[in-house]
Amino acid sequence: KAGVTQTPRYLIKTRGQQVTLSCSPISGHRSVSWYQQTPGQGLQFLFEYFSETQRNKGNFPGRFSGRQFSNSRSEMNVSTLELGDSALYLCASSLGQGVRVDTQYFGPGTRLTVL
Amino acid sequence: AQSVTQPDIHITVSEGASLELRCNYSYGATPYLFWYVQSPGQGLQLLLKYFSGDTLVQGIKGFEAEFKRSQSSFNLRKPSVHWSDAAEYFCAVGPSYNQGGKLIFGQGTELSVKP
Repeated sequence: KAGVTQTPRYLIKTRGQQVTLSCSPISGHRSVSWYQQTPGQGLQFLFEYFSETQRNKGNFPGRFSGRQFSNSRSEMNVSTLELGDSALYLCASSLGQGVRVDTQYFGPGTRLTVL
Repeated sequence: AQSVTQPDIHITVSEGASLELRCNYSYGATPYLFWYVQSPGQGLQLLLKYFSGDTLVQGIKGFEAEFKRSQSSFNLRKPSVHWSDAAEYFCAVGPSYNQGGKLIFGQGTELSVKP
């Protein structure tokens, strides 16, 4: 099976702009989670989607949003970019609801640089 | 609050030497525990996971981890380190059944391998 894919892999934006990142989960996986990784804060959970519904949300401002489509693909959007949004954004997919414990499989990430 | 602590930020071992990376967690319920590895510029690869049962868990690349409930620990071990093991290692704790895919990560331990 193909793994989790994320596009684009690298992105450079300027402050004030907005950005959309895309994630395609492993075939058959219905849950997608997003994480932000920075040197200072480490890996932090952003949100999780299952069946096109946000199921969990981390402690991030409303500028960070996401959605999931009927084919389980997910996008996250960051509006009004700030310098501190520069990070590696990781997407993880898992089987989803109905399994005892979900194992998350990560994509390679999108490196966002805000200038 | 739920948390994961990796006390060692950076460890250097000689090739062929044994390795132990420490992980301590704070979690109210029965934890589900994971170790992931991240090579520079890459996403996270799952090494192993513990859900229940045998407290010694075998993973990929010759790694193993032992769950010790009394010490709230889930240390990662490898008997003989290879130069290709140089990477950053993350311990994570996940929620129990049907509570979503939010993982809480430790700050990571960077492993360097001396020839």
